[in-house]
Amino acid sequence: NAGVMQNPRHLVRRRGQEARLRCSPMKGHSHVYWYRQLPEEGLKFMVYLQKENIIDESGMPKERFSAEFPKEGPSILRIQQVVRGDSAAYFCASSTAKTTLANEKLFFGSGTQLSVL
Amino acid sequence: AQTVTQSQPEMSVQEAETVTLSCTYDTSESDYYLFWYKQPPSRQMILVIRQEAYKQQNATENRFSVNFQKAAKSFSLKISDSQLGDAAMYFCAYRSYSTGANSKLTFGKGITLSVRP
Repeated sequence: NAGVMQNPRHLVRRRGQEARLRCSPMKGHSHVYWYRQLPEEGLKFMVYLQKENIIDESGMPKERFSAEFPKEGPSILRIQQVVRGDSAAYFCASSTAKTTLANEKLFFGSGTQLSVL
Repeated sequence: AQTVTQSQPEMSVQEAETVTLSCTYDTSESDYYLFWYKQPPSRQMILVIRQEAYKQQNATENRFSVNFQKAAKSFSLKISDSQLGDAAMYFCAYRSYSTGANSKLTFGKGITLSVRP
């Protein structure tokens, strides 16, 4: 059973371009979370999605950022018109709602390092 | 809102010795979960140990144990018999119990642990 898969591992964009980050959750997982890690910082929650629904986007910047988790295919984090301040590592995590809260676990991917030139 | 503070940016330990990593948090909730995650250079976030706030007994996982002081809002990680493979960044994280299926975590800034051979 493959873990949480994120691609690309590294992404370089010029200012003003679009960045698309992909996350394939673990098999059977229907909950996806996106986090951003700035240099020398911990991970910051961005958005929580279930299949075809955004449940909590309280950590998402109001502009240029969007996320989706379609019925088929990976979850996508999209950043439009990137700026240098968007340079960070973006992590995806997945879980299943089928477990009880007591034994629920989050599984993280290895992240996508976005560099904006 | 909850906050997690890791005030030590770096620590070093001799191989086979014991080291304690500190973490404090702030919350008005009575039920919650606390975690320690390890992030090696590969960037993969690995769950080390978790603690339920309603449990008075400190969690233990092999060489890893915690000292959970609920009244003091302190959650330190003790690593015994340190190994070279323990070298990594360690993050303390908080999860609210009241958010139901939403497993979003609040992370501290992390601490870099080096292990001297």
